[in-house]
Amino acid sequence: NAGVTQTPKFQVLKTGQSMTLQCAQDMNHNSMYWYRQDPGMGLRLIYYSASEGTTDKGEVPNGYNVSRLNKREFSLRLESAAPSQTSVYFCASSENRGSQIPQYFGPGTRLTVL
Amino acid sequence: LAKTTQPISMDSYEGQEVNITCSHNNIATNDYITWYQQFPSQGPRFIIQGYKTKVTNEVASLFIPADRKSSTLSLPRVSLSDTAVYYCLVGGAFNKFYFGSGTKLNVKP
Repeated sequence: NAGVTQTPKFQVLKTGQSMTLQCAQDMNHNSMYWYRQDPGMGLRLIYYSASEGTTDKGEVPNGYNVSRLNKREFSLRLESAAPSQTSVYFCASSENRGSQIPQYFGPGTRLTVL
Repeated sequence: LAKTTQPISMDSYEGQEVNITCSHNNIATNDYITWYQQFPSQGPRFIIQGYKTKVTNEVASLFIPADRKSSTLSLPRVSLSDTAVYYCLVGGAFNKFYFGSGTKLNVKP
């Protein structure tokens, strides 16, 4: 059981480049989430997917798009990267929606935009 | 969504009990209180969750007073490996989760 996996672990982009962060979970969870964490800060929710086929905006969705490819996979896309998107990105999943349901986090992707 | 307030940092020594308090004055009736632990360069890890009174597991205890406007995470006999950031999260059915900045616990030998 790998839990939640994320690829890549590290990425450096130039301003204006695009990329997709991949996330997969093997726990048969219905809900998945993308967060960003800036240095010394807490996590901020970017997008979430309550169940397969649905996505919704979180606290900081601007500049990002998501795709819930299937029940296992939830990707985050940066169409035109900006330096303000330099951050650590965490994917998480939970059995169902609801903050009372524990979330399980991946190891993170460290993204630097020059 | 009930925002939370926690101390920015705390220091402790090995073997001591540590209590971290979180204020959530606007907690709603359906909201649960959840605590996560985050080590450097890792994603957060679920520690404990409660709705009211006291909850205990193998890692920690969570104390919630009757008015539920605050909660206290208690870590018994901390070790160096408990050095981490601890987040208090309050929310219900499907709020947009607010982790806040957390409490950085530094355990000294």
